[in-house]
Amino acid sequence: DAGITQSPRHKVTETGTPVTLRCHQTENHRYMYWYRQDPGHGLRLIHYSYGVKDTDKGEVSDGYSVSRSKTEDFLLTLESATSSQTSVYFCAIRPGTTYEQYFGPGTRLTVT
Amino acid sequence: KNEVEQSPQNLTAQEGEFITINCSYSVGISALHWLQQHPGGGIVSLFMLSSGKKKHGRLIATINIQEKHSSLHITASHPRDSAVYICAVKGGGADGLTFGKGTHLIIQP
Repeated sequence: DAGITQSPRHKVTETGTPVTLRCHQTENHRYMYWYRQDPGHGLRLIHYSYGVKDTDKGEVSDGYSVSRSKTEDFLLTLESATSSQTSVYFCAIRPGTTYEQYFGPGTRLTVT
Repeated sequence: KNEVEQSPQNLTAQEGEFITINCSYSVGISALHWLQQHPGGGIVSLFMLSSGKKKHGRLIATINIQEKHSSLHITASHPRDSAVYICAVKGGGADGLTFGKGTHLIIQP
């Protein structure tokens, strides 16, 4: 298994509160991704990173920001959580030599 | 934006049957992923392919670049194969995958 962890694994928060999800890898892979998974929509790209301090928006980036200050960590922040951000969030990593991605275990976020 | 369509959405079969799941996409790609997700959520990469055919155990994946179509086959299906199978495509560059909505497979004993 790829060395990729996500924290927390489960979180319940209230509308309007800030939330940060962490993705940590031990593989030293260049590329990191945040996806969300919702019934009826499947998985969708939120943000991605192609190196330290290099990030870009995905398909559903509104309401989210990211940061990558070290190769091993990619943080996803919801500045002011809304109920529409209730979802399962997956981080993925990929080396620069292949297109194959490896997924973390996921974080289940509930915004009440 | 690439549109990824999977069929069927749901499939129930008996143990031992040969299973085929299809994936089509609208725009040329660099590679195509087949992923497996069991209840409880973890996503596992089964195949990444950009041409031809790959085989791993009872699983076979094929891709036809000209027709923008891929198939995932499971031979001698088993109840432990019950899962959601997801097709995802990769364009060029650093950005991420575009996913189909998944095929929910149930194999009955």
